[in-house]
Amino acid sequence: DAGVTQSPTHLIKTRGQQVTLRCSPKSGHDTVSWYQQALGQGPQFIFQYYEEEERQRGNFPDRFSGHQFPNYSSELNVNALLLGDSALYLCASGSLPLYEQYFGPGTRLTVT
Amino acid sequence: ILNVEQSPQSLHVQEGDSTNFTCSFPSSNFYALHWYRWETAKSPEALFVMTLNGDEKKKGRISATLNTKEGYSYLYIKGSQPEDSATYLCAFKNSNSGYALNFGKGTSLLVTP
Repeated sequence: DAGVTQSPTHLIKTRGQQVTLRCSPKSGHDTVSWYQQALGQGPQFIFQYYEEEERQRGNFPDRFSGHQFPNYSSELNVNALLLGDSALYLCASGSLPLYEQYFGPGTRLTVT
Repeated sequence: ILNVEQSPQSLHVQEGDSTNFTCSFPSSNFYALHWYRWETAKSPEALFVMTLNGDEKKKGRISATLNTKEGYSYLYIKGSQPEDSATYLCAFKNSNSGYALNFGKGTSLLVTP
């Protein structure tokens, strides 16, 4: 079992650009959550996808959007990148009742 | 946003020392408390999920306790080893937070030989 995988590992973008991050959940999991960890902070919940729909959203602007595919993999899209979007983006997968969530290694996004 | 506090922020101990960290969280409408161990450049690793007041969990030399009435959890490491060096994160969920985990900033542990 490969566990939760994320791609790419690192990414450098310019302010104003758009970015797509990808996540494949652990085998058997149908729920994917995305978190942002800024420097010196704990991970912050962005949103969660289940059955290809956004089930819950944290306090992030509409520039952050996502998608879940029929195979349960997920994408996180960020439009009009700001310098403050520079962070580690973590994906976590699980299945109901979500007592345990398994994390990927993250994608490090740098916005210049 | 639910405020989860972890202390200390960082800790440096010698190999063989025992240590403990604290996670404080709002005590109302408690649902679950998670502990994760996170080594640099790796995925956060789930250590424990605790859901009941008075829960005690153990995994090798690491154990955790939970007090939902006063809103805290302790993580203990007995006989620390250099491979225990990592950041330890706690995450809290209550009945109002839905599916979101609310994380603290973590405790960074360094164990030197």
